Amino acid sequence: SYVLTQPPSVSVAPGETARVTCGGSNIGDKRVHWYQQRPGQAPLLVIYYNNDRPSGVPKRFSGSNSGNTATLTITRVEAGDEADYYCQVWDTVTTHVVFGGGTKLTVL
Amino acid sequence: VHLEESGGGLVTPGGSLRLYCGASGLNFSDAWMSWVRQAPGRGPEWVGRIKSKSDGGTTDYAAPVKGRFSISRDDSKDTLYLEMNSLKTEDTALYYCTADGGDYTTYYFDYWGQGTLVTVSS
Repeated sequence: SYVLTQPPSVSVAPGETARVTCGGSNIGDKRVHWYQQRPGQAPLLVIYYNNDRPSGVPKRFSGSNSGNTATLTITRVEAGDEADYYCQVWDTVTTHVVFGGGTKLTVL
Repeated sequence: VHLEESGGGLVTPGGSLRLYCGASGLNFSDAWMSWVRQAPGRGPEWVGRIKSKSDGGTTDYAAPVKGRFSISRDDSKDTLYLEMNSLKTEDTALYYCTADGGDYTTYYFDYWGQGTLVTVSS
């Protein structure tokens, strides 16, 4: 089955840029989606189709996807961005959803 | 869009439970819907989905629940269901209802409810 690999944690100072990676075999051939989950809340879609933002998501959030790595980039990081971030793809072979293990973003 | 789950609770191993998800703010009959669960301290795990009736109304399930769980819908009541049988301790999780997006190449979870907690324990 298809596997997505994320670093367990990323730390960044306020105002800096955070990059959360999601590794997978030829992930650049897939469409990657990203979710933010703040403590005690349900996940929230922040990026879909690699780099589209749902309405209401700040432009500070962007995505890229190429080769074996997809990346969620958050510029001008704020304290409110502190959360767990999960990448997700659709495995067309198994017709199943696959989530990454998640990355905890800490704002120092 | 508002999704509200209910029906969770404590159940013994081998038991059954039915979850409900009431939807509003969307054209429910056209929506593809899923259940996604999250065990304590773990990431989300897709449980399964149901297509709209106009797209066939078929279901797909993740391997750990296939044959034990069943997803259905009542478009007249804007309600999604998850029937869970032969429950195991590893099914303990917060169960979310989602309204989904995507196309023939991909699939994602556009809107989420707040979840209902299922605890399987003796």
